[in-house]
Amino acid sequence: QKEVEQNSGPLSVPEGAIASLNCTYSDRGSQSFFWYRQYSGKSPELIMSIYSNGDKEDGRFTAQLNKASQYVSLLIRDSQPSDSATYLCAVRGTGANNLFFGTGTRLTVIP
Amino acid sequence: NAGVMQNPRHLVRRRGQEARLRCSPMKGHSHVYWYRQLPEEGLKFMVYLQKENIIDESGMPKERFSAEFPKEGPSILRIQQVVRGDSAAYFCASSPPISTDTQYFGPGTRLTVL
Repeated sequence: QKEVEQNSGPLSVPEGAIASLNCTYSDRGSQSFFWYRQYSGKSPELIMSIYSNGDKEDGRFTAQLNKASQYVSLLIRDSQPSDSATYLCAVRGTGANNLFFGTGTRLTVIP
Repeated sequence: NAGVMQNPRHLVRRRGQEARLRCSPMKGHSHVYWYRQLPEEGLKFMVYLQKENIIDESGMPKERFSAEFPKEGPSILRIQQVVRGDSAAYFCASSPPISTDTQYFGPGTRLTVL
């Protein structure tokens, strides 16, 4: 079983819509959760971190965490073509130093 | 720009040669992580280092791969006798000493083995 799972997509949404990206993880003791954005051929860029159950908002981005369900999501409001990228979910497992990454969801925002 | 720096950005090697990848962490960061990203796959952890110490190398292949982070200078990921399957993007990330949670990534080195 993979530590972190994401739908690979591609996910296509029209400009201005809400994009919803989902991620599940297997280590129930995980405490730190991150969303990275990766443009094609570029490095991952941290966009959100979340540590507590509930929602965390930053501009057009909202991260949601439900530890009981071992589920973390990212909502992008008012999606823009520049949001088109692969979104990586990352989890720091119990006692781990490193991050475990999902394979990413490719998002395309259609003008 | 005080971000994580990696060089070279692109590296081409023939089978059997050695590859050396360098990473300079962000200013003030003393923790370095190396990850590998194979085509169409997610990032996989390789090794975590602090100055002069390897803290966790559980993701490193048992043979041909080694890493160091000397007291002075960048962290080095070394791959001996490269094979075609080593072709990938190698990313370095760094984090500050207070929090090891937030990792910032460098631009990566794209290794191609011919």
